[in-house]
Amino acid sequence: DVQLVESGGGLVQPGGSLRLSCAVSGFTFSNYYMTWVRQAPGRGLECVAKIRPDGGQAFYVDSVKGRFTISRDNAKNSLSLHLNSLRVEDTAVYYCTREDWWHLDWWGQGTLVTVSS
Amino acid sequence: QSALTQPPSASGSPGQSVTISCTGTSSDVGGHNYVSWYQQHPGKAPKLMIFEVNKRPSGVPDRFSGSKSANTASLTVSGLQAEDEADYYCSSYAGRDTLIFGGGTKLTVL
Repeated sequence: DVQLVESGGGLVQPGGSLRLSCAVSGFTFSNYYMTWVRQAPGRGLECVAKIRPDGGQAFYVDSVKGRFTISRDNAKNSLSLHLNSLRVEDTAVYYCTREDWWHLDWWGQGTLVTVSS
Repeated sequence: QSALTQPPSASGSPGQSVTISCTGTSSDVGGHNYVSWYQQHPGKAPKLMIFEVNKRPSGVPDRFSGSKSANTASLTVSGLQAEDEADYYCSSYAGRDTLIFGGGTKLTVL
């Protein structure tokens, strides 16, 4: 069975940093684009960052460029998202997803990031 | 890229059909056949219900169907059931490796 399990969320002060991880199993991880999607409380969905199967190129929404870094370790079936210079508006549930031809076919359960003083 | 436009709410009685619209532009919905729909129950992760406009993943009931005309995509839920009550989000490829979402529609089963 396909499984995506996120970890690393928590409470952090504005300006702080956090590292989210996603452990993947049940499919050939190195064959797929992977995308982090976030959902602010009571709000809609937003693609935050995406990485190519070989890890060679990454894409970011404008609001996180220069602050967030997505990476992957295909040998360990692991996806990461480093969040720096966090802002209150980054508060959200962050989902690890598998992307297949522009649709997100598998989602993790999500991990909550709360940015507050 | 701007978000896709969805009605904030929709409703129907059990057994009825309801259609949710998703309006974009020729750069996203109208320009590609990469429209997908997601169902999200409260406190849960979204679930893929429709991809590439009208294809259903394995396990999704055929009561769910998708279509597209020009810049507007639609999700139709036929034979409404209580468990269909959820938030529904559309998504589309928008060029330059970008995926955008609609604002979501809360479907209420009366």
